[in-house]
Amino acid sequence: EAGVAQSPRYKIIEKRQSVAFWCNPISGHATLYWYQQILGQGPKLLIQFQNNGVVDDSQLPKDRFSAERLKGVDSTLKIQPAKLEDSAVYLCASSAPGQGGDYGYTFGSGTRLTVV
Amino acid sequence: AQSVTQLDSQVPVFEEAPVELRCNYSSSVSVYLFWYVQYPNQGLQLLLKYLSGSTLVKGINGFEAEFNKSQTSFHLRKPSVHISDTAEYFCAESDRHNQGGKLIFGQGTELSVKP
Repeated sequence: EAGVAQSPRYKIIEKRQSVAFWCNPISGHATLYWYQQILGQGPKLLIQFQNNGVVDDSQLPKDRFSAERLKGVDSTLKIQPAKLEDSAVYLCASSAPGQGGDYGYTFGSGTRLTVV
Repeated sequence: AQSVTQLDSQVPVFEEAPVELRCNYSSSVSVYLFWYVQYPNQGLQLLLKYLSGSTLVKGINGFEAEFNKSQTSFHLRKPSVHISDTAEYFCAESDRHNQGGKLIFGQGTELSVKP
């Protein structure tokens, strides 16, 4: 089966610019996650969707970050305006609740963002 | 609050030597436990998971881990490492009662295998 697709793979922007990342989950996976992985740290959940509804966005900096999952499939994560501390890898993952403890969790390859 | 602590940020080891990567999880909730590997410029790949049952869990690439409830630990082991095992390793937990819930990751351990 196809994996979780993310684009772009790399992005370099100047601070105060905006940027958007795209994720296409595994077909049939109802749950989609965006994680932020800062260099030298473990991934941290930014937002979790169940179909097209938000389940958890408690760690999302809502003054600059936004995310949507239209029609419960693809998702877009946006940062506007970007700050230097937003430099990180943004990982998308999807899962299918009810399939066991790991719910078929699958990660994409990530988008590496560098803010200069 | 949930938390995962990986006790070593870097572990250098020679090829064919045994290795143990240490992980302690939070005891405040009943959890599932995982180990993931991340190769450079790649996403996370599941090595193994503990859901229930036998406390010794075997995963891919010859890795295994042991769930120890009394010590709240889930250490990862391999009896003989290869150069290709050089990567970042992450321990993670999720709340058993939060179906499809988020993963809480440790800080990661960089395993460096030298010839």
